[in-house]
Amino acid sequence: GQNIDQPTEMTATEGAIVQINCTYQTSGFNGLFWYQQHAGEAPTFLSYNVLDGLEEKGRFSSFLSRSKGYSYLLLKELQMKDSASYLCAVNGNYGQNFVFGPGTRLSVLP
Amino acid sequence: GAGVSQSPSNKVTEKGKDVELRCDPISGHTALYWYRQRLGQGLEFLIYFQGNSAPDKSGLPSDRFSAERTGESVSTLTIQRTQQEDSAVYLCASSIGLAGGGGYEQYFGPGTRLTVT
Repeated sequence: GQNIDQPTEMTATEGAIVQINCTYQTSGFNGLFWYQQHAGEAPTFLSYNVLDGLEEKGRFSSFLSRSKGYSYLLLKELQMKDSASYLCAVNGNYGQNFVFGPGTRLSVLP
Repeated sequence: GAGVSQSPSNKVTEKGKDVELRCDPISGHTALYWYRQRLGQGLEFLIYFQGNSAPDKSGLPSDRFSAERTGESVSTLTIQRTQQEDSAVYLCASSIGLAGGGGYEQYFGPGTRLTVT
């Protein structure tokens, strides 16, 4: 079967750093994606990892360990506009569909 | 360029009626996905089209749900005899798919909010 786990909710303070974890068990692996979804809006792409290690993109970084079935999204210098749900998704096999995790709702407080 | 578009943006229908939702993917994107998202919940995969290959229908919740796509263009998701539990936002996404390199990020449409009364 395929399973992706994320914490349901997280809270952090403006200007701080937050790490959102994702663990997965899938039949095959062709990449892990992070998406951001503001309330009432469609998800937008944040990052992609297919090899182990850290991918940095501005204030956002994403890490992957394939042997552990583990990824995290790191958000630095948090801003109020970062309050959103963060979705972890795995492309299990080349050319096949994606499996999304339940999402982590992040609230950034002043 | 134009992104993924969906219509209608909102649909209210009576229980038992059929509805048809439309998705226009980004031109050149061979892969197209339909998801369902209930209020406050994650994305539930429904169906996946890749080029002219047979679609992956493994996520369709019942035989009341069906979808079609002609080539690499428009797709329609049809729900027959709608039930109240079908109320949700239906999201469509497209990606370069097998035609591109790795990292097939999906581009999502704005969704269709379906309410069954």
